[in-house]
Amino acid sequence: AQSVTQLGSHVSVSEGALVLLRCNYSSSVPPYLFWYVQYPNQGLQLLLKYTSAATLVKGINGFEAEFKKSETSFHLTKPSAHMSDAAEYFCAVSDQGSNYKLTFGKGTLLTVNP
Amino acid sequence: GAVVSQHPSRVICKSGTSVKIECRSLDFQATTMFWYRQFPKQSLMLMATSNEGSKATYEQGVEKDKFLINHASLTLSTLTVTSAHPEDSSFYICSARDGATASYEQYFGPGTRLTVT
Repeated sequence: AQSVTQLGSHVSVSEGALVLLRCNYSSSVPPYLFWYVQYPNQGLQLLLKYTSAATLVKGINGFEAEFKKSETSFHLTKPSAHMSDAAEYFCAVSDQGSNYKLTFGKGTLLTVNP
Repeated sequence: GAVVSQHPSRVICKSGTSVKIECRSLDFQATTMFWYRQFPKQSLMLMATSNEGSKATYEQGVEKDKFLINHASLTLSTLTVTSAHPEDSSFYICSARDGATASYEQYFGPGTRLTVT
């Protein structure tokens, strides 16, 4: 069975500061890993994905994430936060054996202070 | 490319009535579609997986007679909430996989806000 743990339901940073959102996963097979962003009353937008290629993945809006198998982690980072980054972020895992069903973490609300 | 739409975006219905939500893939053929439910300030919970032309597979704890899913074409899946009650009020989101590319990636719709009064 797959699972995702996002440490910290709420992260608050200042504008221009580093953003670090943590995600740990559990999977019995090589996983596919995703980060999504959700703005209020909207669907999910894909930020980036890991699919067993490069372990450092670059996404949209300046975000990137590094897959660390030994730590079963896939933390999301951005060097400098913008006010527009304020949103809910979800980490998710899937694998071929589950028909690529996504299992989501509980989400992390990012607030950016001026 | 890879756009998924949902209709309606918001719906209010009275308790006891049924409501249908449509999920369409606009520029690709979706052999597999997924339906999620999201409570306020919570994560997405997978309700069911539907493959075109076959019965949906429901997750444990989801009432299949309450939440009817039909995936009759490669571009359309519908979720019907039957005899809705206030506790069914939620944000419902669909996603779809592109059958032509056999991609693992899911493309999400914008969601439907259901309020049952």
